[in-house]
Amino acid sequence: KAGVTQTPRYLIKTRGQQVTLSCSPISGHRSVSWYQQTPGQGLQFLFEYFSETQRNKGNFPGRFSGRQFSNSRSEMNVSTLELGDSALYLCASSPGRSSLEQYFGPGTRLTVT
Amino acid sequence: AQSVSQHNHHVILSEAASLELGCNYSYGGTVNLFWYVQYPGQHLQLLLKYFSGDPLVKGIKGFEAEFIKSKFSFNLRKPSVQWSDTAEYFCAVTDPGGSYIPTFGRGTSLIVHP
Repeated sequence: KAGVTQTPRYLIKTRGQQVTLSCSPISGHRSVSWYQQTPGQGLQFLFEYFSETQRNKGNFPGRFSGRQFSNSRSEMNVSTLELGDSALYLCASSPGRSSLEQYFGPGTRLTVT
Repeated sequence: AQSVSQHNHHVILSEAASLELGCNYSYGGTVNLFWYVQYPGQHLQLLLKYFSGDPLVKGIKGFEAEFIKSKFSFNLRKPSVQWSDTAEYFCAVTDPGGSYIPTFGRGTSLIVHP
């Protein structure tokens, strides 16, 4: 079974721009969660989607948004990028509603200059 | 809100040394506990988990962890580390509010010298 895939793997953007990151979960998994990983803060939860609905949201500004499609693929968008948004963005999928066991993708490394 | 502390930020060991990485969490109710590992250039992957039952949990690659409820701890152990154990280790605890969203510790970087 193929694992969680994320595209693109690396991205360089300029302050003020927006960016869209994509995540394809493991086949059959319906829950997708997004995390921001930085050296200083570790992994911080962004949001969770299940059956195309956002079920939980972390403590991030409204510039961070996401969605999930009917095939469970998910995208997250960050608008008006700031230098502090530079991070590794991880997507994790799980079979069911609760995120008890998550399978992580390789991440998208976003650098904002 | 739940918080997770990993006391050792950087650990350096020689091969065959024993390992213990500390993890403490703040919530006193029912929790689910996890250790994840991130090898250099690889995905974050589950090492072991505790939901209920025997508080001594065995995971992959010879790792184990012990849940001590009275100490709010879930320490990771391995009797004899190998060079290939060099990685970043993360402890995680589920959110007690029922959403099951895990809270992660900031991670421990382990370097094993051959």
